Amino acid sequence: GAVVSQHPSRVICKSGTSVKIECRSLDFQATTMFWYRQFPKQSLMLMATSNEGSKATYEQGVEKDKFLINHASLTLSTLTVTSAHPEDSSFYICSARAPTGSGETQYFGPGTRLLVL
Amino acid sequence: GESVGLHLPTLSVQEGDNSIINCAYSNSASDYFIWYKQESGKGPQFIIDIRSNMDKRQGQRVTVLLNKTVKHLSLQIAATQPGDSAVYFCAESASQGGKLIFGQGTELSVKP
Repeated sequence: GAVVSQHPSRVICKSGTSVKIECRSLDFQATTMFWYRQFPKQSLMLMATSNEGSKATYEQGVEKDKFLINHASLTLSTLTVTSAHPEDSSFYICSARAPTGSGETQYFGPGTRLLVL
Repeated sequence: GESVGLHLPTLSVQEGDNSIINCAYSNSASDYFIWYKQESGKGPQFIIDIRSNMDKRQGQRVTVLLNKTVKHLSLQIAATQPGDSAVYFCAESASQGGKLIFGQGTELSVKP
């Protein structure tokens, strides 16, 4: 199946700094990518839908100025957590919409563990 | 047996037994449903999917059942193995490729 990668896999940062997470579709082009956040022992919560060449669509309650999303190419979407605080510590997962006819709806990345001190 | 923890229900089964994981979905307009397996520290892994025009679909050792009347989805795993231990999530979507809404998740623990 198609592969989605994320970088970094883990990041520790100081409170107030910004952190950028990359999501790449390695062997297919993805016009749409999705960003999720997952707290321990909880489900995945959709944060936003990232569309190549246009603005992201954010879910209710997600601050677009805090979680900046850029989808500059068909294989790369980035999520920047600006002025990170300890409550932003979480597991961030991206997915990329699969090509038509692939069978699966979305391919998920391995996730990025963010710890804000 | 099955129990509900603080955040995540758990299901404990004996190796070799069949497992049934249940999910109640929320949107009667959802047209597409997927089961994912998530191991600790990893992203979700696709298991099986089903469209709303079907009520049953089988894969290798797994079966998904859909009851639209009561908005209920189940995942059956035959001959459960230790490698099946993980958290299982159902997800619903208005269409294949559309945004996914994930269910609560169930932690499956397989005892050798």
